[in-house]
Amino acid sequence: EAGVVQSPRYKIIEKKQPVAFWCNPISGHNTLYWYRQNLGQGPELLIRYENEEAVDDSQLPKDRFSAERLKGVDSTLKIQPAELGDSAVYLCASSLVTGSNTGELFFGEGSRLTVL
Amino acid sequence: DAKTTQPNSMESNEEEPVHLPCNHSTISGTDYIHWYRQLPSQGPEYVIHGLTSNVNNRMASLAIAEDRKSSTLILHRATLRDAAVYYCILRDVAGYSTLTFGKGTMLLVSP
Repeated sequence: EAGVVQSPRYKIIEKKQPVAFWCNPISGHNTLYWYRQNLGQGPELLIRYENEEAVDDSQLPKDRFSAERLKGVDSTLKIQPAELGDSAVYLCASSLVTGSNTGELFFGEGSRLTVL
Repeated sequence: DAKTTQPNSMESNEEEPVHLPCNHSTISGTDYIHWYRQLPSQGPEYVIHGLTSNVNNRMASLAIAEDRKSSTLILHRATLRDAAVYYCILRDVAGYSTLTFGKGTMLLVSP
């Protein structure tokens, strides 16, 4: 079974440029998460989707970050314009949440962004 | 979210058992204790979780204190591949709640 697929794995851009990350979750998973991980820190939630609906985007910097999850499957995370402080690893995770399970999260390998 | 406290780092020798502690004195009755680990250059992966009773799976064991204010992740025989950052996370029984990561414990394994 394929895991969570993210692309690109690495991206180097200059500040003020736009950048987009793509995530393909595990088939059938209804919940999708975007996390950001700075060096030496644990991942921090940016946004959580339940199917197509963003149910928790309180930590998403909405002035420059946007996300969408079309048809409740794939998702994209965009930054425009990028700032130096956006350099980090962006992690996508998915889970299947039902009334009878605790929704173990499966993570992709992440997209490492470097802003120069 | 209830918080957890973990040592910043721990060291172990290969093939020896490892006990990774976690304190969670403000745990609520509906919080599960989850452990994830993150190998270098990879995303976190699920290790184990429990509510009240001790739990075992192919990766590890989870020992939960009777008052649930602390827990210990046990790796029975550490290998070099177990070198990772281990995160102890409290998560409400409702599966829709978000995982909130702390800094975790970096486990170093020596040959």
